[in-house]
Amino acid sequence: SQQGEEDPQALSIQEGENATMNCSYKTSINNLQWYRQNSGRGLVHLILIRSNEREKHSGRLRVTLDTSKKSSSLLITASRAADTASYFCATDVNDYKLSFGAGTTVTVRA
Amino acid sequence: GAVVSQHPSWVICKSGTSVKIECRSLDFQATTMFWYRQFPKQSLMLMATSNEGSKATYEQGVEKDKFLINHASLTLSTLTVTSAHPEDSSFYICSASPGTVTTEAFFGQGTRLTVV
Repeated sequence: SQQGEEDPQALSIQEGENATMNCSYKTSINNLQWYRQNSGRGLVHLILIRSNEREKHSGRLRVTLDTSKKSSSLLITASRAADTASYFCATDVNDYKLSFGAGTTVTVRA
Repeated sequence: GAVVSQHPSWVICKSGTSVKIECRSLDFQATTMFWYRQFPKQSLMLMATSNEGSKATYEQGVEKDKFLINHASLTLSTLTVTSAHPEDSSFYICSASPGTVTTEAFFGQGTRLTVV
């Protein structure tokens, strides 16, 4: 079952602007991951943050994790048209299974 | 990164027929693979965990006789949608990880199934 909730559901920004999306979850986790999905395609792993980490960077991506609030955020800086996609957070519940959030659809306008 | 290949990428079939979808890990061995279903503009819903050499573990509400899973080798899992109906039309995605749950999951390209 899904345990992640994401907001906003959709986001439209101008190229060059930053995009921020949030994810909340319900149970304890070992790690939280963010994935990107282009329309009609599989998912691509973006970044993994462990439960004992608070912030992580990868290129133009910045992820934060607040385990006390059971929430995470993904920031994409200096967005590009190619960043247009759906973004999902995923938590490992148990037995190596991932539970995905509802996703945020990001549209970057040129 | 590791590569997971899913085939076919799309398929159209008639009601009542069966469709097999393959998921292969191309450059690593996967004792466990996962099958997800995704409806338009929605998230991924885990259907089942495919275990190499043993029976798959199905999530609550997923009919195991409807969605047959076979994981006969460390690099191949198959999902067969039996006696397909239009309501089975969906996007099916598999994933696998080369390591433990603390490593990323690699996803296949997905299969768009349309039952007419």
